Amino acid sequence: EDQVTQSPEALRLQEGESSSLNCSYTVSGLRGLFWYRQDPGKGPEFLFTLYSAGEEKEKERLKATLTKKESFLHITAPKPEDSATYLCAVQVGQAGTALIFGKGTTLSVSS
Amino acid sequence: DAGITQSPRHKVTETGTPVTLRCHQTENHRYMYWYRQDPGHGLRLIHYSYGVKDTDKGEVSDGYSVSRSKTEDFLLTLESATSSQTSVYFCAISSRLAGGPYEQFFGPGTRLTVL
Repeated sequence: EDQVTQSPEALRLQEGESSSLNCSYTVSGLRGLFWYRQDPGKGPEFLFTLYSAGEEKEKERLKATLTKKESFLHITAPKPEDSATYLCAVQVGQAGTALIFGKGTTLSVSS
Repeated sequence: DAGITQSPRHKVTETGTPVTLRCHQTENHRYMYWYRQDPGHGLRLIHYSYGVKDTDKGEVSDGYSVSRSKTEDFLLTLESATSSQTSVYFCAISSRLAGGPYEQFFGPGTRLTVL
């Protein structure tokens, strides 16, 4: 069974304290791995797509990496506005198929 | 902005009543999806559509039906709402970059409460 597991469930950081979120997956035929940010009461906001092991993507203080078994979302010098729930999802099978989501990591950054 | 709207944004209804949620997109995307999001479960697929009148079931489709008579609209119907269908419902569309996987973009969500 295809599965996505995110850890930790919750993470509290001080402003400027860098850390990483983990997304491990067991799927067959990975087509892509996706990271989203979700603020309370809103829909998930697309951040990154990673296609293959070794790939990296960056956006402001966020950097996503991918291996054959897991992905990391590195947050460098976070600010309070980075507080949100970060969701990881994978797409398997044929084009256009739905995503399989992890349960998310809720990040709180205090000043 | 992926041009996705959902209506209503909030709804409170009673057990046993029918409910229809609407998803509207403005960019002519082929694929559309309905997910529900519940604490402790994450986002789970209810139904999806790969074209007008072409739909398929997802992981949690029991108690739900969908219709897509126009490219821009994807409707989710709860024929007889139950308390277990209290949730936040998200619509998504799929857009593909050249040579890559389909990336999904989400609407703002509908919060449904079934009393």
